Amino acid sequence: ILNVEQSPQSLHVQEGDSTNFTCSFPSSNFYALHWYRWETAKSPEALFVMTLNGDEKKKGRISATLNTKEGYSYLYIKGSQPEDSATYLCASRIKAAGNKLTFGGGTRVLVKP
Amino acid sequence: AAGVIQSPRHLIKEKRETATLKCYPIPRHDTVYWYQQGPGQDPQFLISFYEKMQSDKGSIPDRFSAQQFSDYHSELNMSSLELGDSALYFCASSLRGANGNTIYFGEGSWLTVV
Repeated sequence: ILNVEQSPQSLHVQEGDSTNFTCSFPSSNFYALHWYRWETAKSPEALFVMTLNGDEKKKGRISATLNTKEGYSYLYIKGSQPEDSATYLCASRIKAAGNKLTFGGGTRVLVKP
Repeated sequence: AAGVIQSPRHLIKEKRETATLKCYPIPRHDTVYWYQQGPGQDPQFLISFYEKMQSDKGSIPDRFSAQQFSDYHSELNMSSLELGDSALYFCASSLRGANGNTIYFGEGSWLTVV
C-alpha cells in the first residue's frame, strides 16, 4: 500500500444498526493514524489518534482498532443514529514525512431513520 | 474551547488575481498546516510551519507562499490565480509532542476563481 485508502466510499445504514469500515495505509515507517469525522460546512472533528499496534480506542458509540503490521484500521459505529451521518476520514503520518497527514478519500456514512 | 479560526470563509477572485488566506491556530499551538481540497478530491498537504519556521512542504505551487508570524498566525498567499486553484483550503494546528499529537482543523476557506 503506497497511499491511504478507505472503503467503502459510501455506506447507508439503518438507524440502530452497527457498521464498520476500513482504512488501509502504508505500514512501513508508521508513526500515527488519525480518524476524523467531517460534516459539510464544518471543520473536521478529531476522533482518534492511534500509534500502537493493537491499539483500540473508544468515544461513545464509536471505536477504532489499529494494525500497524498489516497497515489497516477499522472504525466501528455501534447502534447508528442519524447524527452519525458524516464523512469519516482517516489520515496517516509516517516517520519520514514529519508532521504531515496523508488523507484517504473518506467513507460517507448516511444513517436512515 | 477556542478552535482554529480561518478567514475569510468565502472568497471569489478572478484569474491572475492574488488572494490571501489567514489562519489563527489554537492558543499555545506551535505548528500550523495548510491543506487544499479540490472538488471531489482528497485533502492535499501544502505546507506546514513549526515555531514560525517552515517544517514540511508538500504540493504547494510556486505561485503560492506562506509564513507564520510571531503571534503564530499564518497566511497563505496565492498569486496569479488559476481556475484550478478553486478549492477548500483548510488550516490546522497542533502542539508538537510525542505519541501522535492531535491535529485540529479550522472550518476552511472556500476560494472560487472565476
